[in-house]
Amino acid sequence: AQKITQTQPGMFVQEKEAVTLDCTYDTSDPSYGLFWYKQPSSGEMIFLIYQGSYDQQNATEGRYSLNFQKARKSANLVISASQLGDSAMYFCAMREGQGAGSYQLTFGKGTKLSVIP
Amino acid sequence: GAVVSQHPSWVICKSGTSVKIECRSLDFQATTMFWYRQFPKQSLMLMATSNEGSKATYEQGVEKDKFLINHASLTLSTLTVTSAHPEDSSFYICSARDLGAETQYFGPGTRLLVL
Repeated sequence: AQKITQTQPGMFVQEKEAVTLDCTYDTSDPSYGLFWYKQPSSGEMIFLIYQGSYDQQNATEGRYSLNFQKARKSANLVISASQLGDSAMYFCAMREGQGAGSYQLTFGKGTKLSVIP
Repeated sequence: GAVVSQHPSWVICKSGTSVKIECRSLDFQATTMFWYRQFPKQSLMLMATSNEGSKATYEQGVEKDKFLINHASLTLSTLTVTSAHPEDSSFYICSARDLGAETQYFGPGTRLLVL
């Protein structure tokens, strides 16, 4: 089974509207972390937001928020007030476990977001 | 803060030559660095995990003799693609993690084209 599933290969959103990018994950480890990265066409991976499995509140970073539903094993990214510069690939990733060997990330296949003027 | 550089950003080489890619953490000490490969329109695939002063741990299916990784200091890791072939053409991207931090920060990536 895939550890990270992003079911939306592509999404369109009108400028200034909000958009939700879906991510579900699969792990039996009680300790894990969930990340979202943005990859523009230039290729760099830009860290957006992090949610730990023990965090009580949903993470927020500016226009980005993470809708963390632990029982459903979902970690959707919400981008508010979309801007043209938000057009990019978005990857959800997970880190499982604790300790020295646990910082590897497993990535989903990504969602290509296109913001329409 | 948390800036990771990668050099070169682009490399074109002939088949059979070796190519070295450097990954540097500029403003923090990276106890662990990671090397990924990304083919067009695909996700990132972890190749190896590199810890300072010790041998790299390679993912299944990644040839350690072909992809040599050296993490000689807390700010530098290198990936050498030995005897490169056209099928090695890809986007190689590194990431680094600060001691005690959750987040991996990525370099800008290196596009390798082997002719």
